[in-house]
Amino acid sequence: EVQLLESGGGLVQPGGSLRISCAASGFTLASSAMSWVRQAPGKGLEWVSSINDNGAYTYYADSVKGRFTISRDTSKNTLYLQMHSLRADDTAVYYCAKESVRATHYFDYWGQGTLVTVSS
Amino acid sequence: EVVLTQSPATLSLSPGESAALSCRASQGVTCCLAWYQQKPGQAPRLLIYDTLKRATGIPARFSGSGSGTDFTLTISYLEPEDFAVYYCQQRSSWPLTFGGGTKVEL
Repeated sequence: EVQLLESGGGLVQPGGSLRISCAASGFTLASSAMSWVRQAPGKGLEWVSSINDNGAYTYYADSVKGRFTISRDTSKNTLYLQMHSLRADDTAVYYCAKESVRATHYFDYWGQGTLVTVSS
Repeated sequence: EVVLTQSPATLSLSPGESAALSCRASQGVTCCLAWYQQKPGQAPRLLIYDTLKRATGIPARFSGSGSGTDFTLTISYLEPEDFAVYYCQQRSSWPLTFGGGTKVEL
């Protein structure tokens, strides 16, 4: 059974940094395309970043480009999102999502999310 | 960036009725549109991908249609568990984008 478990969220001051994690089970991260999608409180979904199946390519929303880095540790089967220069508008629940093997860039498995709050 | 506009923002219906949710793209996305359902406190769930293909385990009362810039999610017979927020998403070009959502309420 595919499972995704995010962790590492919390309260961080504006300008600060945070790394969130997504532990995957039931499949091999090394051959799977993965993404981060966020949702600000009471708002809609916003795609943040993706990494392709072999890890060679990464993609970012303009709103986080240059500040966030997606990566993975295949030995730990874990996906990461390193966030720097955090702003109040980065406050959101961050979901990791596995892309469908049938059609890339759609998300058929999601974690439960981890809340990142940027506030002084 | 492809902007997806969903309408209406809210749809008030009763169990047993049918729902038609619209998603309009600012530029053509060919076949590459998906629909998700999200209930309060839960992660989204993939319902439809590539405009009309149902994801694994999705009931037949959910169907997708459309092409180019205009897409529709139809729920043919609303069950109590279908009251939720629905989002469309395109994968035709980067950045991936979602619509603002349609809330189907009782």
